[in-house]
Amino acid sequence: QQQVKQSPQSLIVQKGGISIINCAYENTAFDYFPWYQQFPGKGPALLIAIRPDVSEKKEGRFTISFNKSAKQFSLHIMDSQPGDSATYFCAASIWQTGANNLFFGTGTRLTVIP
Amino acid sequence: EADIYQTPRYLVIGTGKKITLECSQTMGHDKMYWYQQDPGMELHLIHYSYGVNSTEKGDLSSESTVSRIRTEHFPLTLESARPSHTSQYLCASSRLTPLRWYFGPGTRLTVL
Repeated sequence: QQQVKQSPQSLIVQKGGISIINCAYENTAFDYFPWYQQFPGKGPALLIAIRPDVSEKKEGRFTISFNKSAKQFSLHIMDSQPGDSATYFCAASIWQTGANNLFFGTGTRLTVIP
Repeated sequence: EADIYQTPRYLVIGTGKKITLECSQTMGHDKMYWYQQDPGMELHLIHYSYGVNSTEKGDLSSESTVSRIRTEHFPLTLESARPSHTSQYLCASSRLTPLRWYFGPGTRLTVL
């Protein structure tokens, strides 16, 4: 069972445009929601993260919007650049059996066209 | 950025071989993890460890085994590799305060 649902699977955006990736979850015990960026041949790297007591977090061109009641969160990339072309994963963490475990969405392949 | 290392980065082997994928971190993290990822696809947790002498199976069933004899080292072993094991294996560690995971660059395994 997919703990975190992510959409779209792929996204093509013009340079300078806004990229929006959405995620949804069911388990209200999740308490940490990070976004990862992964380039081919590399491991995922933390982009930005949010706790459920905050509705929005912005770091540079990247913003997380969090809707606790709807159990949804999204990543907005403003002024998208070709260098942003990568696969993006949302994730959610929960404390289970003595450890924080991280569940990933299925990923979104973003292509930014020059 | 991350002080977490994986070797080898790429491995092509024949069916039936025993292999060990190495993972080490220099951040002193107690928690370590192994994820399996097909190219461009989601990550599945296959093993994790709370600390030395602790190992647990993850959500995705795997024929691999792990050990944690030292805090900084979390190797993954396949006793007899099969083509179905072909995938990318990502090692990670996490700190609690503030909560954050760090991922290694991955080992891309191909079993012929």
